[in-house]
Amino acid sequence: EDQVTQSPEALRLQEGESSSLNCSYTVSGLRGLFWYRQDPGKGPEFLFTLYSAGEEKEKERLKATLTKKESFLHITAPKPEDSATYLCAVQAASTSYGKLTFGQGTILTVHP
Amino acid sequence: DSGVTQTPKHLITATGQRVTLRCSPRSGDLSVYWYQQSLDQGLQFLIQYYNGEERAKGNILERFSAQQFPDLHSELNLSSLELGDSALYFCASSSQVSGTDTQYFGPGTRLTVL
Repeated sequence: EDQVTQSPEALRLQEGESSSLNCSYTVSGLRGLFWYRQDPGKGPEFLFTLYSAGEEKEKERLKATLTKKESFLHITAPKPEDSATYLCAVQAASTSYGKLTFGQGTILTVHP
Repeated sequence: DSGVTQTPKHLITATGQRVTLRCSPRSGDLSVYWYQQSLDQGLQFLIQYYNGEERAKGNILERFSAQQFPDLHSELNLSSLELGDSALYFCASSSQVSGTDTQYFGPGTRLTVL
């Protein structure tokens, strides 16, 4: 069964204090790994898709990387508006359909 | 704004009742997915439809059913509601039936069962 574990569960940072979020996964063949951002009471907002080990993608202060067992979301010089829950999800190659398996998320709080 | 719309935003009902949640996918998207998000379970995949046909089932209860109509909007029907069905229900859409195309999520429907 596909599994996604995110750590830490919660992270508090000062504005400008860089850090990383971890997403460990177990899947029978990875088709893709997805990062989403979710604000309270809202729907997940797509950030990145990573397909193979060694791949990296960047968007503003966020950078996502992928290895064969885990993915990291690096946040550089975060601002209070980066506060949100960050969700990681995997799509298995064993299925020809689009099901995503999500982790529990990391709640990020950035203090000014 | 993802382009996916869901109605209603909030729904409050009693145990034993039946409700219908509605989703309109992004223009051009043929796949619709339903997910349930609760505090203890996180985001859980329920079911996928592609161009009107059911394509994948996840942790969906027998009391729940869904369909996708010719205009591609989808409805999730929840019956014999229990307290534990209280959750956020999200719809997502993508352009393909498989592959790693991005799923775009709607704003969700918050269901409260009293």
